[in-house]
Amino acid sequence: DTAVSQTPKYLVTQMGNDKSIKCEQNLGHDTMYWYKQDSKKFLKIMFSYNNKELIINETVPNRFSPKSPDKAHLNLHINSLELGDSAVYFCASSQDLDNQETQYFGPGTRLLVL
Amino acid sequence: AQTVTQSQPEMSVQEAETVTLSCTYDTSESDYYLFWYKQPPSRQMILVIRQEAYKQQNATENRFSVNFQKAAKSFSLKISDSQLGDAAMYFCAYRKLQGAQKLVFGQGTRLTINP
Repeated sequence: DTAVSQTPKYLVTQMGNDKSIKCEQNLGHDTMYWYKQDSKKFLKIMFSYNNKELIINETVPNRFSPKSPDKAHLNLHINSLELGDSAVYFCASSQDLDNQETQYFGPGTRLLVL
Repeated sequence: AQTVTQSQPEMSVQEAETVTLSCTYDTSESDYYLFWYKQPPSRQMILVIRQEAYKQQNATENRFSVNFQKAAKSFSLKISDSQLGDAAMYFCAYRKLQGAQKLVFGQGTRLTINP
């Protein structure tokens, strides 16, 4: 009965590799997000999708490409991984753009680039 | 651009005591939402409490309450009767009322509960 799930929970990889993180929500929400939490615990928005349409792209390098096959899924693909990409990545969802519903977060994916 | 500042990197409190975590923010909007999220060692982000800026009444959720001072742009979290399970990072967050609904987070405050 997990509301927002992410896979994998942990990801260790070499510099230069390409990797994907998957996110799924079963809340029936229209809007999904990716946040990055760096080593100092600072959380920052990366992307947001509403009904499969990109609505927020916060100057993230184009090595990061979100993909939303349907409104219940928002995957994050990262090309040519760099050391600085090491972080915890959180997926979140909310009801819709203008509703006051809270954002619900997934458990996070800890990415370590060696 | 909106910013959120938590000036206390770390706080500690004795079990059963009360602690207040500070948060200030900067915005030119008149209507918005403010949140406190808790992140325990499990890393899960858990909503603690939410405040709508157009409501004058301070939000409360059991042992958690806020002191919302709109003119001062201050949004502090009070935890009463602190419990060991309250130990976590606490993040203050801001969100515009309409439009792109990104959360803008503060730097976080690490709360330790002393038994």
